[in-house]
Amino acid sequence: DTAVSQTPKYLVTQMGNDKSIKCEQNLGHDTMYWYKQDSKKFLKIMFSYNNKELIINETVPNRFSPKSPDKAHLNLHINSLELGDSAVYFCASSPGMGSGEQFFGPGTRLTVL
Amino acid sequence: GENVEQHPSTLSVQEGDSAVIKCTYSDSASNYFPWYKQELGKGPQLIIDIRSNVGEKKDQRIAVTLNKTAKHFSLHITETQPEDSAVYFCAAPRGGSYIPTFGRGTSLIVHP
Repeated sequence: DTAVSQTPKYLVTQMGNDKSIKCEQNLGHDTMYWYKQDSKKFLKIMFSYNNKELIINETVPNRFSPKSPDKAHLNLHINSLELGDSAVYFCASSPGMGSGEQFFGPGTRLTVL
Repeated sequence: GENVEQHPSTLSVQEGDSAVIKCTYSDSASNYFPWYKQELGKGPQLIIDIRSNVGEKKDQRIAVTLNKTAKHFSLHITETQPEDSAVYFCAAPRGGSYIPTFGRGTSLIVHP
């Protein structure tokens, strides 16, 4: 019954490791996003996908690679994790490009030690 | 690109008081202005939005006003309640796109 879900909710890992965060939406939306929220609560868009195609890549390091196997899923894989990657990552979806409201997932708190 | 400034960063009020949060934006082509509420440990949730063809919109205790000439919009919460305590974000899309630029957030604390 959850609209946008993410797993895991918490992720604690060592520097240099590779990790993935999964996102699924059951709203039938065409567009999905990944946001990063830092410790000061600043929300910044990282990626936007529309119907499985990458639309926006906001100057994110190559270590971050999104993958959309179908339009209901947008996963985020991070290679060679760094301390500065520690943040809360939110997945979101919207009905389509140009649609106003975005529906956010509950977030994944990533801590890199 | 779009630059969105949000003030204040923290707002503390007594239950029953009104709260006002203000945002300015830079891109005159922006045409959609949402406000999101983020409760502790949760993702942001849309509470009200306004499009550029209207100047004001109300939904019970919440209202948003837009001044396109001055490029600013505000969130008004009346009769605040402790459950209104949260971080509030304004956003504006980059002109000609749907990608929002978020303000830096306002932490609203409503004291019982």
